[in-house]
Amino acid sequence: AQTVTQSQPEMSVQEAETVTLSCTYDTSESDYYLFWYKQPPSRQMILVIRQEAYKQQNATENRFSVNFQKAAKSFSLKISDSQLGDAAMYFCAYRGLGTYKYIFGTGTRLKVLA
Amino acid sequence: EAQVTQNPRYLITVTGKKLTVTCSQNMNHEYMSWYRQDPGLGLRQIYYSMNVEVTDKGDVPEGYKVSRKEKRNFPLILESPSPNQTSLYFCASRDRNYGYTFGSGTRLTVV
Repeated sequence: AQTVTQSQPEMSVQEAETVTLSCTYDTSESDYYLFWYKQPPSRQMILVIRQEAYKQQNATENRFSVNFQKAAKSFSLKISDSQLGDAAMYFCAYRGLGTYKYIFGTGTRLKVLA
Repeated sequence: EAQVTQNPRYLITVTGKKLTVTCSQNMNHEYMSWYRQDPGLGLRQIYYSMNVEVTDKGDVPEGYKVSRKEKRNFPLILESPSPNQTSLYFCASRDRNYGYTFGSGTRLTVV
């Protein structure tokens, strides 16, 4: 069975600095999708970034980028130039290509310090 | 605006009183799903649906029912709620290749 692990329950970063959130996963599938979701205090779940496992290039969305290491089964999220609005819970998620099910990690709470 | 709408946003009910949380999407997505979010456990899938009249159990289906009579609607039914179903619930929909779009969540308290 697939699993997703976020080993950092909480992290802090100074405004304008860079922070990296870790995510590891376990799967026997070769094709899959990986996601990072942001959940601010409003509790809305917002898709931040998506990575297809068959793509070697790391996904980037403005200040958000990932470091996807397929062999190591690692999928970290880097937030550059952190802003107060980045403070939220961040969830890593996995979906196999042929399955309907998403597997979510337990989340990392990010605090941004002014 | 493309969105998933779920109602109500907050609900307090008593043990055993049947309730329904509604979910509707306007994106013509085939896939819809219900999740519950609990502290320290992340999001766990309750039920999902691949299309009209096609549903299947997720990881934590006990005590819940769903139906998918129309493509846009996917209500979650608690026939006899219990306190251990107190949680934050999310409905979500997606197309084949993209990530889920989530509703704004329903905070359910069962006393």
